[in-house]
Amino acid sequence: EVQLVESGGGLVKPGGSLRLSCAASGFTFSTYSMNWVRQAPGKGLELVSSITSSSSYIYYANSVKGRFTISRDNAENSLYLQMNSLRAEDTAVYYCACSDGGYRYWGQGTLVTVSS
Amino acid sequence: EIVLTQSPGTLSLSPGERATLSCRASQSVSSSYLGWYQQKPGQAPRLLIYGASSRATGIPDRFSGSGSGTDFTLTISRLEPEDFAVYYCQQYGSSPPVTFGQGTKLEIK
Repeated sequence: EVQLVESGGGLVKPGGSLRLSCAASGFTFSTYSMNWVRQAPGKGLELVSSITSSSSYIYYANSVKGRFTISRDNAENSLYLQMNSLRAEDTAVYYCACSDGGYRYWGQGTLVTVSS
Repeated sequence: EIVLTQSPGTLSLSPGERATLSCRASQSVSSSYLGWYQQKPGQAPRLLIYGASSRATGIPDRFSGSGSGTDFTLTISRLEPEDFAVYYCQQYGSSPPVTFGQGTKLEIK
């Protein structure tokens, strides 16, 4: 059974940092591109960042470029998102998702709240 | 960046009725790399349709997708109570970036 389990969310003050993790199991993690998608309260879905299977290509949304860093460890079947200089508008549920003909598999999400 | 516009914003129907949801792209979506997702409150999105018309694993055949180029449709032939949710379209052919529509809320009339 495919599982994606996010962790690392929480309450952080503006300007602070958080590191999100996504633990993958049940599929060959190293062969798939992975993504972080966020959803602000009551809003739609926004792609934050993507990384190819070998980390050769990385994408960031303009809204997070220069502040967030995506990475992966294929040996540990894990995806990460380092978030620095957090702003109130980064408040959202953050999902990791696997690219396979669309985003076939999603985690349950982890809530990030940026507030003083 | 390809902008996806979904209509209507909210669709009010009764169980047993047919639902037709639209997704229009600002430019042609290459090779029909268009997906549809269902999201219920407090849950992650679930892939329903990929490649514009292929059902994902385990998706009932009352869900169907069609379209090409810039116009795509998700049809639910006979609504079941569990189908009332928010639906998003996504294009993943013109990467980067992958983009999502703003969503259609399907509510019980």
